[in-house]
Amino acid sequence: DVKVTQSSRYLVKRTGEKVFLECVQDMDHENMFWYRQDPGLGLRLIYFSYDVKMKEKGDIPEGYSVSREKKERFSLILESASTNQTSMYLCASSTGGSSYEQYFGPGTRLTVT
Amino acid sequence: EDQVTQSPEALRLQEGESSSLNCSYTVSGLRGLFWYRQDPGKGPEFLFTLYSAGEEKEKERLKATLTKKESFLHITAPKPEDSATYLCAVQAWGSQGNLIFGKGTKLSVKP
Repeated sequence: DVKVTQSSRYLVKRTGEKVFLECVQDMDHENMFWYRQDPGLGLRLIYFSYDVKMKEKGDIPEGYSVSREKKERFSLILESASTNQTSMYLCASSTGGSSYEQYFGPGTRLTVT
Repeated sequence: EDQVTQSPEALRLQEGESSSLNCSYTVSGLRGLFWYRQDPGKGPEFLFTLYSAGEEKEKERLKATLTKKESFLHITAPKPEDSATYLCAVQAWGSQGNLIFGKGTKLSVKP
């Protein structure tokens, strides 16, 4: 089975702190994604990567950056956390071959106070 | 613009009462349509991929179908454990694996 893990289930940070969210997948997938999910807004794509050291902006990249130094690991960075970044953050991966279904991690519930 | 619309937003059923969830989509060229189940506080769980009109996939009490403009997720004789939010997503050709998600249908099945 595909397994995607995220570094924390729950996280509480203060405004202005630098926040790191890490995601690891064990299926040698090429593509990795970061989303945030908010009530009424659904899943919104922040950044994605289709190869090591490659990154592409999604729909809402402002206030975020990413890093992919190894194929299995994709990190989301909040340079200076703000209260409007309080959300559920979801990481996903996909093969990029003949099937593009994405497999999701359990999510990180981030609260910025 | 590519987009996905799911209806209804919420659906309440009695145990055993069959029904369908709808996913309407507009996309420049459909590469695949995906259904997910999401339980509260958890990540979405992949259910099905459909590639072409007329295709059907089944898993236990769930059956997904696809036409050129929409997909249905049929739930036969649902049980309380089927309660969850069901998400639909589409992928367009040339999109580098990106999916466009609908906002989901929240299903509640009462015993």
